[in-house]
Parts: sequence; C-alpha cells; structure tokens
Amino acid sequence: AQTVTQSQPEMSVQEAETVTLSCTYDTSESNYYLFWYKQPPSRQMILVIRQEAYKQQNATENRFSVNFQKAAKSFSLKISDSQLGDTAMYFCAFTNLINNNDMRFGAGTRLTVKP
Amino acid sequence: NAGVTQTPKFQVLKTGQSMTLQCAQDMNHEYMSWYRQDPGMGLRLIHYSVGAGITDQGEVPNGYNVSRSTTEDFPLRLLSAAPSQTSVYFCASSYRGDEAFFGQGTRLTVV
Repeated sequence: AQTVTQSQPEMSVQEAETVTLSCTYDTSESNYYLFWYKQPPSRQMILVIRQEAYKQQNATENRFSVNFQKAAKSFSLKISDSQLGDTAMYFCAFTNLINNNDMRFGAGTRLTVKP
Repeated sequence: NAGVTQTPKFQVLKTGQSMTLQCAQDMNHEYMSWYRQDPGMGLRLIHYSVGAGITDQGEVPNGYNVSRSTTEDFPLRLLSAAPSQTSVYFCASSYRGDEAFFGQGTRLTVV
C-alpha cells in the first residue's frame, strides 16, 4: 500500500522568507501523480501544485515550487517570499495511475507565517 | 459552475442515529470520493466511485454506505452513528483521478 509521510507537524517562517515543507512517499508503482494541497482556516482544500512522476522537470507555480526526487521518493514544497495568506495546513498527496481514485494523504504540516 | 457542493456544513447526531451527507458536482467528473479528516491523520478515503452505478471501498469504509445513481450525486450514508465517526467529511471529484476538487466539508459530531 502506498503511504505518504510528512515529518514536520508544525513550521513557522517570517514574512518574505523562504520555507521548505518535506514529504516522502512509498510506492512500488512507476507512474503516479503527486500533489500539495493547502487548507486555510476556512477548511477549503486548495490545490497548490502537482507533479507527474514521468516528468523530470520540477513543477513551479509562481512562488511555489517542488523538489521531486523520484529515486529517493521525496517531494518537498518550497514557498518563496512567504505571505501572511500562506498560513495554513499543507497536505502532500499521492495517487497512482492504476487505481487513480485512491488518493493518499500525509498527516499535514501546519505552517504559520509571522509578520 | 458551483464545483462540488456538500450539505450540511455542520451536523450533530446522537449515537445510533442515521443520516445522509449530500454531495453534488456540476463538472461532469467521472470520479467522486468521500474522505474523513481527523487531527494528525490527514484525509483518509472512505468510499469512491469511478462512474454512475460503480462504487468501491476505500481505506476506512466500515459504518458507511454510498451509492451513485447519477454522475452528479454521491451521497454518503451513516447507518448507525458512533462517537468514533466524529470527524470532518470531504467529498471530492476529479476527471479520471487527476486533480481532486473538494467540497467545503461537513463537520459531524456524534454525541
């Protein structure tokens, strides 16, 4: 079974600085998707960024980028120029392309951006 | 587009009561899922559906039933509520298992 591990329950960062959230996963599949979701206090789940495992290039979305290390099964999220609105829970998620409705989530990292 | 709509947003049940959480999507997505979110455990898959008339169990299916009679709707039924089912429930839909779009969640308390 696939598992997703987020080893940092809580993190904090000063506004305008950079922070990296860690995620590792375990799978025997070779084709899969990885996601980072953000959950602000409103409880809404918002997609931050996605990465297809067959793509070697790391995904980027404005201030958000990932470091995808397929061999190490690592998928970290870097947030640059942190903003107060980035304060939220962040979940790493994995879905394989064989049973691609079985999305697995990590336990989450609570990020606080301090002014 | 409303996206994924869940009702109700909050619910309190007594132990042993039954209820249905409603979920509807207007994006014509084939895939729909139900998750529960508990502190320190992320989201766990309860049941999912890959199309009308097709459902399957996820990671934590016990105590829950689902059906999928239309593409748009995917209700989750609690048969006999227990305190262990106190949680936040999310419905999600996706196009063939890609990016999942989530509803706003239902906070359920069983007393």
